[in-house]
Amino acid sequence: KAGVTQTPRYLIKTRGQQVTLSCSPISGHRSVSWYQQTPGQGLQFLFEYFSETQRNKGNFPGRFSGRQFSNSRSEMNVSTLELGDSALYLCASSLVPGLGGTDTQYFGPGTRLTVL
Amino acid sequence: KNQVEQSPQSLIILEGKNCTLQCNYTVSPFSNLRWYKQDTGRGPVSLTIMTFSENTKSNGRYTATLDADTKQSSLHITASQLSDSASYICVVSASGYSTLTFGKGTMLLVSP
Repeated sequence: KAGVTQTPRYLIKTRGQQVTLSCSPISGHRSVSWYQQTPGQGLQFLFEYFSETQRNKGNFPGRFSGRQFSNSRSEMNVSTLELGDSALYLCASSLVPGLGGTDTQYFGPGTRLTVL
Repeated sequence: KNQVEQSPQSLIILEGKNCTLQCNYTVSPFSNLRWYKQDTGRGPVSLTIMTFSENTKSNGRYTATLDADTKQSSLHITASQLSDSASYICVVSASGYSTLTFGKGTMLLVSP
């Protein structure tokens, strides 16, 4: 069974631009969560989607948004990029919503975003 | 404020030796605690998930313990291998609020 895939793997943007990242979950998984990982802050939760609905949202500004499609694939968008948005963006999938439960989350390899 | 503190920040051990990583949390109300292993340049991989009623869980050479009274967890690695070199991240979930609080991780280097 194929794992979680994320595209693109690497991305370079300039301040003020916007970016869209894509995540394809493991086949059959309906829950997708997004995380930001930086050396200073570590891993931080962005949002969680299940059956095309956002179930939970972390403490990030409105410039960060996402959506989930009927095939469970998910995208996240960051508008008006800032230097501090440079990070590894990870998505994880699970059969059912992962937060608060004990279902295993499977992470993708991440998208490395660099903002210049 | 929900917090997860991991210690040590980094650790170097010789191949074949055992080691123990610590995780202290103040997350409330507690739902579950997860340990992840993250190799450089890759996404985290789940090692164990423990709920309030579980105090030990093993996954091969990895054994996690949980003391919900003192709000402490440990991850014990037995007979370390070079492939154990990675960052180990402790994550605690709060029930009712469905949020995750992440530790900053312990960077483990296993030396030959």
